[in-house]
Amino acid sequence: DGGITQSPKYLFRKEGQNVTLSCEQNLNHDAMYWYRQDPGQGLRLIYYSQIVNDFQKGDIAEGYSVSREKKESFPLTVTSAQKNPTAFYLCASSIPGRVARTGELFFGEGSRLTVL
Amino acid sequence: QKEVEQNSGPLSVPEGAIASLNCTYSDRGSQSFFWYRQYSGKSPELIMFIYSNGDKEDGRFTAQLNKASQYVSLLIRDSQPSDSATYLCAVNFNDYKLSFGAGTTVTVRA
Repeated sequence: DGGITQSPKYLFRKEGQNVTLSCEQNLNHDAMYWYRQDPGQGLRLIYYSQIVNDFQKGDIAEGYSVSREKKESFPLTVTSAQKNPTAFYLCASSIPGRVARTGELFFGEGSRLTVL
Repeated sequence: QKEVEQNSGPLSVPEGAIASLNCTYSDRGSQSFFWYRQYSGKSPELIMFIYSNGDKEDGRFTAQLNKASQYVSLLIRDSQPSDSATYLCAVNFNDYKLSFGAGTTVTVRA
C-alpha cells in the first residue's frame, strides 16, 4: 500500500530537548511538506521541499530544521529554540505543481508532540 | 501576509439541514480553492476544489466561488452525523504550496 508514514504518533519531550519526527513516503512524490496545527487553528507551513537536497522555509520555520537526503524521507527536528512546540505535526507529499491545481496533498496520520 | 479567513464556529445544524461554510482570502491572484474535511485527531482529506466563478457540485457538497468578492463557500446538503468534522478552506498563493484557514467545526445533531 502506498502512503505516508509518520512516527512516532505520540511524543513527549522535556523542555530543552531536541526531537526528530520521521516522515517516510513510498508514493514516489518529489514534493514533501511539514505543517503544524494548533487547537482551533489551521495548518501552518513549517518547511517544504520540491526535490531531493533542496528545501524552503515556510511561514513558521523558526526553531525547526529539516533534511531531504532521500526522496522518500523528510524528517523534521524540533529544536530547543522552538518556544512553544506542543502541537500536532502533519507531513504531506504531492506531485510538484499539481497541488496548486488539484489540492492533492497526501497526508500522514500526524505526530502529536507534547512538551512537559 | 496572505491570509485565509474562516468563521471558526462551531456550526450546529440538525440532521437533514444545509450547512453553509464561508471563507475569504486576501490575494486577488489566487487561482485555486480547496475544501478539506478533518475528523478529530485525524489528518485532512480533500473533498472539493474549484477554479472558476460559480458553483461546483459533487454529491451533497457544493462549492461556490466569487473571485470579485474574494469569497468561497461550501454547502453541505442533507447533513448527516458523519459530516460532523472541521472543514478547512485552502487557497494556493503560488505553484508550490497552499495556505489554510483556521477551519470551521460543524456538528450535525441527530
